Amino acid sequence: GAGVSQTPSNKVTEKGKYVELRCDPISGHTALYWYRQSLGQGPEFLIYFQGTGAADDSGLPNDRFFAVRPEGSVSTLKIQRTERGDSAMYLCASSLYNPDATGELFFGEGSRLTVL
Amino acid sequence: QKEVEQDPGPLSVPEGAIVSLNCTYSNSAFQYFMWYRQYSRKGPELLMYTYSSGNKEDGRFTAQVDKSSKYISLFIRDSQPSDSATYLCAMSARGRGNNRLAFGKGNQVVVIP
Repeated sequence: GAGVSQTPSNKVTEKGKYVELRCDPISGHTALYWYRQSLGQGPEFLIYFQGTGAADDSGLPNDRFFAVRPEGSVSTLKIQRTERGDSAMYLCASSLYNPDATGELFFGEGSRLTVL
Repeated sequence: QKEVEQDPGPLSVPEGAIVSLNCTYSNSAFQYFMWYRQYSRKGPELLMYTYSSGNKEDGRFTAQVDKSSKYISLFIRDSQPSDSATYLCAMSARGRGNNRLAFGKGNQVVVIP
């Protein structure tokens, strides 16, 4: 696709439920990032993939959060036993790999998660 | 203390005014400095990108970085209603392909026609 695609754009769920958020990066971009943006805040880093592997998952808040990228393209962020505090915009970004880490990040429009 | 501080107060200016935004940071390892623009309910888009200290100009936008003071600024000249958005500063340290960004909270800017 032309840009980073995220689905669903909106997700409303109940406390305790399991949620999956999907990111389809720009074709050819091997680097993929997940960020979380709460209302009135800047995006906060969650996890970085280089290819299929999670090269940096230090931003994941706890073990209820997990992300995969099995074929090095589409990624899924998985949240177990959702809590009201998980309500936020989840942003995905992708970039070409650059060893100096200077590549521009291209963000999707986000998945807005609301936990009731 | 957060790595990046950006006073999140909203800013309303009349059309044609100069908008001045700034951020401070604490991590000396940051070498790449960016400003992102985010329209309501959209993802951030890169506006300006600067490496190390200095100024960079792109049309009506000027980004300044002062590493000695750990202070970065964005100026928007001749502001237009279409500039109304949230502006986020972001920065990163280099290394091993990981362009992990640290963001400020953002400033919501409203340009009044």
